[in-house]
Amino acid sequence: GIQVEQSPPDLILQEGANSTLRCNFSDSVNNLQWFHQNPWGQLINLFYIPSGTKQNGRLSATTVATERYSLLYISSSQTTDSGVYFCAVEFHTNAGKSTFGDGTTLTVKP
Amino acid sequence: SAVISQKPSRDICQRGTSLTIQCQVDSQVTMMFWYRQQPGQSLTLIATANQGSEATYESGFVIDKFPISRPNLTFSTLTVSNMSPEDSSIYLCSTRQLYGYTFGSGTRLTVV
Repeated sequence: GIQVEQSPPDLILQEGANSTLRCNFSDSVNNLQWFHQNPWGQLINLFYIPSGTKQNGRLSATTVATERYSLLYISSSQTTDSGVYFCAVEFHTNAGKSTFGDGTTLTVKP
Repeated sequence: SAVISQKPSRDICQRGTSLTIQCQVDSQVTMMFWYRQQPGQSLTLIATANQGSEATYESGFVIDKFPISRPNLTFSTLTVSNMSPEDSSIYLCSTRQLYGYTFGSGTRLTVV
């Protein structure tokens, strides 16, 4: 069946380090988003990126749709970057529904 | 993108009771979605709510347990019925916009 797999499941960094989070998906997509869930449970949309590359400050993302993966880059990490990062995908074959990966839990230590 | 106001933000409920969660969108939207996030887990779609028709439930979720209303294009409610401690989760509503999905701020439910 359709799947969204994120890696690594957990990541611990020192403040100032860089990191790369990966999202693999099993089929063609209409939509792919990266979210950050803060400690209060709120989902913050980081990128809408079904293909291509985008940058927003210290964060950037790349989706290679033909190879069915997306990467989220965090540079010069800060303690406020801690939380869970989710990749959410709307597949062509399941239009109108968003499937979430299991997330990457990021802890940035001062 | 649309802004969704969700309430309550959190609640502690007794087992056997019901809680209704409300979501108000600041623009008209065709579909609204309800998700559950159990502790330490990812988000799972409960149902899709269209205005003027019954909600469509995902496998493992039933209308008797999670009745949904969608009276107009800007509002929806999800009720968690006959609650048990296993229902303790974060519940989120969502809409589909031109550039992806937008989520409400979530309702953190604890059942004791």
